[in-house]
Amino acid sequence: AQSVTQLDSQVPVFEEAPVELRCNYSSSVSVYLFWYVQYPNQGLQLLLKYLSGSTLVKGINGFEAEFNKSQTSFHLRKPSVHISDTAEYFCAVSSDGTGFQKLVFGTGTRLLVSP
Amino acid sequence: ETGVTQTPRHLVMGMTNKKSLKCEQHLGHNAMYWYKQSAKKPLELMFVYNFKEQTENNSVPSRFSPECPNSSHLFLHLHTLQPEDSALYLCASSQGTGNPYEQYFGPGTRLTVT
Repeated sequence: AQSVTQLDSQVPVFEEAPVELRCNYSSSVSVYLFWYVQYPNQGLQLLLKYLSGSTLVKGINGFEAEFNKSQTSFHLRKPSVHISDTAEYFCAVSSDGTGFQKLVFGTGTRLLVSP
Repeated sequence: ETGVTQTPRHLVMGMTNKKSLKCEQHLGHNAMYWYKQSAKKPLELMFVYNFKEQTENNSVPSRFSPECPNSSHLFLHLHTLQPEDSALYLCASSQGTGNPYEQYFGPGTRLTVT
């Protein structure tokens, strides 16, 4: 069974500062990895995904993430955040297998950007 | 902006009431999902439908009853709920359930059980 750990429940940061949101996963098989963002009163929106190939993945809104297989991590980064990036961020993993593979989510990290 | 809509957005119901949540996707997808989002807990997958057939039921209590009349519509019928069922219920859709797939989420229904 897979699991996802987002150790930071909340990350406060000033506007225009860099940010890293951490995600670690556990799985005995190959995985696909995702980051979703949830703005207040909205559903989840896909930021980026890693399926295969380059371990550095670029997503929307200037976010990127790096897949590190040896450390079983998929940390999300942005070099300069905006007030509008304030939201909840969820890391998720699914197995690289045939048939339906459930998306397993972490508990989320709330990013708070202040002026 | 979303291709997945959910109604109502907010719902307050007593434990003896019967209500239904509705989800509609305008993306031409074949698979639809119900998730429960509770504070400080990971999203919990409840049900999966693929081509109108239920393919997954994650040990959800029978007081939650899903219905999928076609690939565009998904309902969650609620009856005799408990206060711990208060949560945000999210609907999602995807092209299929084969891996890998991207799920598109609706805005959710905030349910409060009194």
